[in-house]
Amino acid sequence: DGGITQSPKYLFRKEGQNVTLSCEQNLNHDAMYWYRQDPGQGLRLIYYSQIVNDFQKGDIAEGYSVSREKKESFPLTVTSAQKNPTAFYLCASSAGGSSYNSPLHFGNGTRLTVT
Amino acid sequence: GQNIDQPTEMTATEGAIVQINCTYQTSGFNGLFWYQQHAGEAPTFLSYNVLDGLEEKGRFSSFLSRSKGYSYLLLKELQMKDSASYLCADPSRNGGSQGNLIFGKGTKLSVKP
Repeated sequence: DGGITQSPKYLFRKEGQNVTLSCEQNLNHDAMYWYRQDPGQGLRLIYYSQIVNDFQKGDIAEGYSVSREKKESFPLTVTSAQKNPTAFYLCASSAGGSSYNSPLHFGNGTRLTVT
Repeated sequence: GQNIDQPTEMTATEGAIVQINCTYQTSGFNGLFWYQQHAGEAPTFLSYNVLDGLEEKGRFSSFLSRSKGYSYLLLKELQMKDSASYLCADPSRNGGSQGNLIFGKGTKLSVKP
């Protein structure tokens, strides 16, 4: 079955450490996205990538970095520069390109706790 | 700019009908999405409206009025499993060509027996 896999489901880190969240999809989608979800807030876009080897900042990119070396993979690194990293992180993909009406397919999320 | 508003919480009774409203302001328009998200899980796609009117999909229907900047999600014959957050989302960022969405804060629906 095609889908998006995020790992791990729960992640705990000490303040000051960088951490990388994994996201893999086998839907053959061109576009991939990272969103952050906090209680009482909508999903907020961190980074997105429309094609391999290219990515763009979203609304809250500061303190985060990404890479898109393969179509299937879009890992997100939460760096020590991110002031409030504790959150629920959701990866998504879509057919992308000019298909702006393509729905997003989400992974099950990674809940990151930094203490 | 772009802005999406929806009620924070709603409560309804099993078997009843509930309407969840969403108002949006956008510099362009490329349709509106609705997603369902159960607590601690990933959002899942429910509907996409780009033309005015009502689109029905089983127990769930979605309505759009472009002139009023208004949409609603209608859930009929409510079941306990419908307790979830319902997210309204606008794909109009960057003229719609990028495909990424601006989400509302979501409406948390609680279905009571």
